[in-house]
Amino acid sequence: DAGVTQSPTHLIKTRGQHVTLRCSPISGHKSVSWYQQVLGQGPQFIFQYYEKEERGRGNFPDRFSARQFPNYSSELNVNALLLGDSALYLCASSLVGTGAMEYFGPGTRLTVT
Amino acid sequence: GQQLNQSPQSMFIQEGEDVSMNCTSSSIFNTWLWYKQDPGEGPVLLIALYKAGELTSNGRLTAQFGITRKDSFLNISASIPSDVGIYFCAGQLGQGGSEKLVFGKGTKLTVNP
Repeated sequence: DAGVTQSPTHLIKTRGQHVTLRCSPISGHKSVSWYQQVLGQGPQFIFQYYEKEERGRGNFPDRFSARQFPNYSSELNVNALLLGDSALYLCASSLVGTGAMEYFGPGTRLTVT
Repeated sequence: GQQLNQSPQSMFIQEGEDVSMNCTSSSIFNTWLWYKQDPGEGPVLLIALYKAGELTSNGRLTAQFGITRKDSFLNISASIPSDVGIYFCAGQLGQGGSEKLVFGKGTKLTVNP
């Protein structure tokens, strides 16, 4: 079975630009979460979506937005990119229910110059 | 906000040695997870713990959920070169709201053959 897939793998953008990252969850998983991992740190929670509804939001500015589609895939959008947005963006999917284990994709490496 | 203190930050060991790392929190979690991350990859789930006091093994890996629900440890026995990587602990509230994971900063493991 395919795991969580993310696209693109790598991306280079300029300050002020906009970026869209994509994620497809494991088949049967209805929840998708997004995390930002800066070099040398653990992942930090950005958003969680379940059944196309936002279920949680981390401490990130409004420049960050996301959505989930009927097929449970998801997009993360970041506007007005800053140098500090350079990071590995991870998508994780999980089944429904409390305490569901999250499985991560390989991530998208975003570099902002 | 919630923080996880993971220690040690790095370890340099000889092949065949046992390894122990731990994670403590100022908050109570209902689920503890341990992940391993290789360079350029997303974290891979190793062990999930759901009950205070629970001790769970996965091959050479053993993890325990602390009785206070504020800590967890991971042991690796008879280390091998492929154990090299960064190990992250993560806590999850799992109370029906956001299922977000709170991560530690990681323990970087180096195994000398």
